[in-house]
Amino acid sequence: AQTVTQSQPEMSVQEAETVTLSCTYDTSESDYYLFWYKQPPSRQMILVIRQEAYKQQNATENRFSVNFQKAAKSFSLKISDSQLGDAAMYFCAYRSARLWGKFQFGAGTQVVVTP
Amino acid sequence: GAGVSQSPSNKVTEKGKDVELRCDPISGHTALYWYRQSLGQGLEFLIYFQGNSAPDKSGLPSDRFSAERTGGSVSTLTIQRTQQEDSAVYLCASSLTSGFDTQYFGPGTRLTVL
Repeated sequence: AQTVTQSQPEMSVQEAETVTLSCTYDTSESDYYLFWYKQPPSRQMILVIRQEAYKQQNATENRFSVNFQKAAKSFSLKISDSQLGDAAMYFCAYRSARLWGKFQFGAGTQVVVTP
Repeated sequence: GAGVSQSPSNKVTEKGKDVELRCDPISGHTALYWYRQSLGQGLEFLIYFQGNSAPDKSGLPSDRFSAERTGGSVSTLTIQRTQQEDSAVYLCASSLTSGFDTQYFGPGTRLTVL
């Protein structure tokens, strides 16, 4: 079974600064997908960024980038130039390439952005 | 509609009653997912549909939980004989296919069992 671990319950960052959220996962599979989702107080889950495990290049989406270390089973999210609107709960998720529908989510990291 | 919708947005029920939660996916999306999010927890996968079929029901917590999807569109999650531990936010998501496509989430239904 796969498990996803987010060891940081909360992270605080000042506006315009950078924060990195950690995520590790456990799997015996070689082909899979990884995601970061954002959940603001509105409860609406929004995809932030995603990464295919077979790609060595780290994904980037504007101010969001990941550091994917396949051998270490690590998938961290870096938020650069943090903005007040980035404040939310962030979830790391794993999806097997074989078991299409089944996602495993971490417990989440609350990001607090201070002016 | 433009996004995934869920109804009701909030549901308060008494222990032992049955409840039905509804999800309307984005038009044309073939894959539909149900998750449960307990207070302060991550998302727990419950079930997913590809079309009207549910290839994997292993996430359903007990036989009190069931789900169906009709016409490849609307899905209903039914909880029979609700218990207090069923209290949570139930999230639905849909995606174009069940591959690597982005999941779009609904706003959720907050279920409270008294």
